[in-house]
Amino acid sequence: AQKVTQAQTEISVVEKEDVTLDCVYETRDTTYYLFWYKQPPSGELVFLIRRNSFDEQNEISGRYSWNFQKSTSSFNFTITASQVVDSAVYFCALRSGGSYIPTFGRGTSLIVHP
Amino acid sequence: NAGVMQNPRHLVRRRGQEARLRCSPMKGHSHVYWYRQLPEEGLKFMVYLQKENIIDESGMPKERFSAEFPKEGPSILRIQQVVRGDSAAYFCASTPAGQGSPNEKLFFGSGTQLSVL
Repeated sequence: AQKVTQAQTEISVVEKEDVTLDCVYETRDTTYYLFWYKQPPSGELVFLIRRNSFDEQNEISGRYSWNFQKSTSSFNFTITASQVVDSAVYFCALRSGGSYIPTFGRGTSLIVHP
Repeated sequence: NAGVMQNPRHLVRRRGQEARLRCSPMKGHSHVYWYRQLPEEGLKFMVYLQKENIIDESGMPKERFSAEFPKEGPSILRIQQVVRGDSAAYFCASTPAGQGSPNEKLFFGSGTQLSVL
């Protein structure tokens, strides 16, 4: 069984603040893949990043960074110097090596105020 | 290159009517997923299809719900005799042809918001 927990339902910040979205996962497989998706107000989910279980290297892409820690089963997402356009619902997802079905977390709604 | 197309964007039905939701995957994609999104619940998997084949329908209610992905045409999610609890956003996602490698990202449509009166 696989499970993704996003404990933060909603986060509200002021523009230019840094914000971290938490993601904790559970799986019995040693091979698995983690994803983050962004759902802006328009509704369509957009892929942000993919990570496999053998690559714990953290990644930075502009103002976005991801911290993958197998020891704590976490794959957290940080936005530096947040902007109003970052306002969206962010989903963390897990796909275990033996499954074709990605499991999504509940999502975290991020509101960035000007 | 058109993305995943879902229609209608909004669908209103009265209790007892049928709802048909359509999804055209990206060009070259032959795998389709359907998810349901409810407030406070996130995205819940419903069904996974290949063309002319249901791979996994473990997330779909046994009663009233069905899905298909014919050789030609869009994938259809059909809900018969809708009830108020069926009100939700339904999202379709597609992945490229092949076995659907586990590390493949999903390409999502904009969803269909179903409202049952």
